[in-house]
Amino acid sequence: AQTVTQSQPEMSVQEAETVTLSCTYDTSESDYYLFWYKQPPSRQMILVIRQEAYKQQNATENRFSVNFQKAAKSFSLKISDSQLGDAAMYFCAYRSAMNRDDKIIFGKGTRLHILP
Amino acid sequence: NAGVTQTPKFQVLKTGQSMTLQCAQDMNHNSMYWYRQDPGMGLRLIYYSASEGTTDKGEVPNGYNVSRLNKREFSLRLESAAPSQTSVYFCASSVGWEAPNTGELFFGEGSRLTVL
Repeated sequence: AQTVTQSQPEMSVQEAETVTLSCTYDTSESDYYLFWYKQPPSRQMILVIRQEAYKQQNATENRFSVNFQKAAKSFSLKISDSQLGDAAMYFCAYRSAMNRDDKIIFGKGTRLHILP
Repeated sequence: NAGVTQTPKFQVLKTGQSMTLQCAQDMNHNSMYWYRQDPGMGLRLIYYSASEGTTDKGEVPNGYNVSRLNKREFSLRLESAAPSQTSVYFCASSVGWEAPNTGELFFGEGSRLTVL
């Protein structure tokens, strides 16, 4: 069974600085998707960025980028120029692309604080 | 566009009572999910349905049942509620395997359930 691990329950970063959130996963599959979701205090879940495992190029969405290390099964999220609105819970998620049961699992999350 | 709608938003139950959480999506998605969110535990998958007529257990299915009533609706039932089921429950949907898909989940607003 696949697992997703986020080892940093909480992190803090100064506004305008850069922060990296860690995620590791365990799978025996070769093809899958990885995601980062953001959950602000409103409780709404927002997709931040996605990565297809077969793509070697790291995904980027404006200030958000990932460092995808397939061999190490690592998928970290880098937030550049941190803003107060980035304060939220961040969840890493895994979805298999090799079977049709469409199961998607999450890590325990990292709470990010932005210091003004 | 309503997206994913779940009801009720809040519910208080006594131990042993039963209830059903309702979820409906209007995006013609094939896959639907129920997650629970607890402090420090992240989002844990309870049950999911990759297509109409199929359901599968997730990480924490004990004490729950589900019904995929049709393509739009996916309900979660607690037959005999326990205090350990106090949580915030999220319904989500995804396009699924039958179309070009990147696996993004679309979430409802969440339902806060308290079992006394």
